[in-house]
Amino acid sequence: DQQVKQNSPSLSVQEGRISILNCDYTNSMFDYFLWYKKYPAEGPTFLISISSIKDKNEDGRFTVFLNKSAKHLSLHIVPSQPGDSAVYFCAASVYSGGGADGLTFGKGTHLIIQP
Amino acid sequence: DSGVTQTPKHLITATGQRVTLRCSPRSGDLSVYWYQQSLDQGLQFLIQYYNGEERAKGNILERFSAQQFPDLHSELNLSSLELGDSALYFCASSVGGQLSGELFFGEGSRLTVL
Repeated sequence: DQQVKQNSPSLSVQEGRISILNCDYTNSMFDYFLWYKKYPAEGPTFLISISSIKDKNEDGRFTVFLNKSAKHLSLHIVPSQPGDSAVYFCAASVYSGGGADGLTFGKGTHLIIQP
Repeated sequence: DSGVTQTPKHLITATGQRVTLRCSPRSGDLSVYWYQQSLDQGLQFLIQYYNGEERAKGNILERFSAQQFPDLHSELNLSSLELGDSALYFCASSVGGQLSGELFFGEGSRLTVL
């Protein structure tokens, strides 16, 4: 049973437009959410995160929105640039007080930015 | 460069064999995590070690084992290998005790079982 779901395996967006990547989760215990970006032949790198006490977090061109009642989060990239072409993983965690436990990842969405 | 080092980068072996993957975490990080990424699958959490002790266990098979040594490097041992074990194995590290949950990933070890 997948607790973190990214239902779009791929997404194609024109350069300069907004990219919106979606993620749904089922475990109501998750209280921290992260997005990771992965280029081919590299490990995932942290992009942005949001705590369950917030509904929005912004960092430059990247904004993550959290809708707890719908158990849904989204990553907005504005404007989209060619270097944003990568696989984006949504991840969730339950903070356990003594340190971060293993994150639960979705299967990823391959974002392709078209020139 | 995340600061996490994984060796080997590529490994080809036969079914029934045993391999060891090695991970050196970022300097100062106490937690090491192992993830498996199979074809068309997300990153599956296998196991976490914190300062030498097993901290959390995910979907790790009994044929797999891991440990974290006093110098904080970690090894993932995969035995009685099957074709389905072919995957990319990532190691990640974190300081531990952080609310952020941000992990720093290595480049992965690609295992091919023939």
